[in-house]
Amino acid sequence: DVKVTQSSRYLVKRTGEKVFLECVQDMDHENMFWYRQDPGLGLRLIYFSYDVKMKEKGDIPEGYSVSREKKERFSLILESASTNQTSMYLCASSLGGVGYTFGSGTRLTVV
Amino acid sequence: QKEVEQDPGPLSVPEGAIVSLNCTYSNSAFQYFMWYRQYSRKGPELLMYTYSSGNKEDGRFTAQVDKSSKYISLFIRDSQPSDSATYLCAMYGSSNTGKLIFGQGTTLQVKP
Repeated sequence: DVKVTQSSRYLVKRTGEKVFLECVQDMDHENMFWYRQDPGLGLRLIYFSYDVKMKEKGDIPEGYSVSREKKERFSLILESASTNQTSMYLCASSLGGVGYTFGSGTRLTVV
Repeated sequence: QKEVEQDPGPLSVPEGAIVSLNCTYSNSAFQYFMWYRQYSRKGPELLMYTYSSGNKEDGRFTAQVDKSSKYISLFIRDSQPSDSATYLCAMYGSSNTGKLIFGQGTTLQVKP
C-alpha cells in the first residue's frame, strides 16, 4: 500500500513564525497535493505539484508556498503564520488523479 | 454555485438501517466519481470509485452514478457503528488533469 507520511500530527506555533509542514510518499507518485480542511468549508486545495520542482496554485494559495525538490517530498510553508491558518492540513499523492492517498493530517494551531 | 454539492448533515441512523448519501454536480465533463471515508482525526481513505454511469457494489456499499441527472449516491446496507465517519464525494473529468473536486462531506453517525 502507498503510504503518505506527514511529519507531525499536532503542531502549535506562534503568530508570525515560519512553519514547515512536511509530506513524504513512498510509491513514486508524480502528483502531490496540499489541502486544508475546516468545519463547514470542506477540503480546500492550497497547492499541487505534478513533478519535481513544479508547483501550481490551488484555490487558496495566499499566505502559503510549497517546495518539491525531490519526487517523494512535498513541503508546505506558511511564510508568517496567522491565527486564521489554524486548521487541519492534509497531504495527498496520486498517480493520475484516480484515487488520492491521503496522509493522516497535521492539526496546526497558531496562537 | 459550487461544482459539487453535498449536504453536510449530520445524519444519524440506528444500527442496521440503510443509509443513502448523495452529491450533485454541475460539470458534465466529470467522468470519474469517488467516495472517501474519513474517520475522526484521520485522513480520508478511498472507499469506492466508479467511471461514468452505473452501479458498483462492494460488500455492504453500493455506489451509483446518474450522469443524466448529475447525481451520485452511496448506499450503505446494514449500517454498523463502525461506519460512523464523514463521507466525501469527489470527482474529476479529463480536463481536470487529475485534480479532484470534493464535496463538503456528510457526517454520519450510526447509533447502536
